[in-house]
Amino acid sequence: QQQVKQSPQSLIVQKGGISIINCAYENTAFDYFPWYQQFPGKGPALLIAIRPDVSEKKEGRFTISFNKSAKQFSLHIMDSQPGDSATYFCAAQVTGNQFYFGTGTSLTVIP
Amino acid sequence: DTEVTQTPKHLVMGMTNKKSLKCEQHMGHRAMYWYKQKAKKPPELMFVYSYEKLSINESVPSRFSPECPNSSLLNLHLHALQPEDSALYLCASSNDRVYNSPLHFGNGTRLTVT
Repeated sequence: QQQVKQSPQSLIVQKGGISIINCAYENTAFDYFPWYQQFPGKGPALLIAIRPDVSEKKEGRFTISFNKSAKQFSLHIMDSQPGDSATYFCAAQVTGNQFYFGTGTSLTVIP
Repeated sequence: DTEVTQTPKHLVMGMTNKKSLKCEQHMGHRAMYWYKQKAKKPPELMFVYSYEKLSINESVPSRFSPECPNSSLLNLHLHALQPEDSALYLCASSNDRVYNSPLHFGNGTRLTVT
């Protein structure tokens, strides 16, 4: 059973546009929601993370929006750049336990 | 560069070979992980070590044998692998003394089994 559902599977955005990736979960015990960015041939790298007591977190062009009642969270990439082209994974964790990853979104930003 | 170092970067091995993957971190993290990642898929958890003791084995076949010699090192010993074991093997660490500590991944070893 997929603990974290992620959509879309792939996304193509024009340079300067907004990229939006969505994730949903069922386990209300999850208390930590990181996003990872992975370039080809590299390991995933932490991009930004949020806890469920916060509805939004922004770091530069990257924003997580969190809707606790809907059990959904999303990543917004503002002013998307070709260098943002990568695979993005959302994840969820109950502190002290394993991380559950979404299925990934392949983002392509075209110039 | 990441703070988790994995060697080798690439490995090609036959089904009768024995090889080892190595992982090293010097962030003082006491939780270390092995993940397997197939193309266009998320990382799949294989093993977790906490304070140098194996705490999670996700029903991984015995041809994969983990070892944690000390708090900075993690090995994965490989023996009699199958072609379907070809994948990117990722090591990660986390600071389990800190609430909400993220995983820090290495860049992986690309394994090809022939």
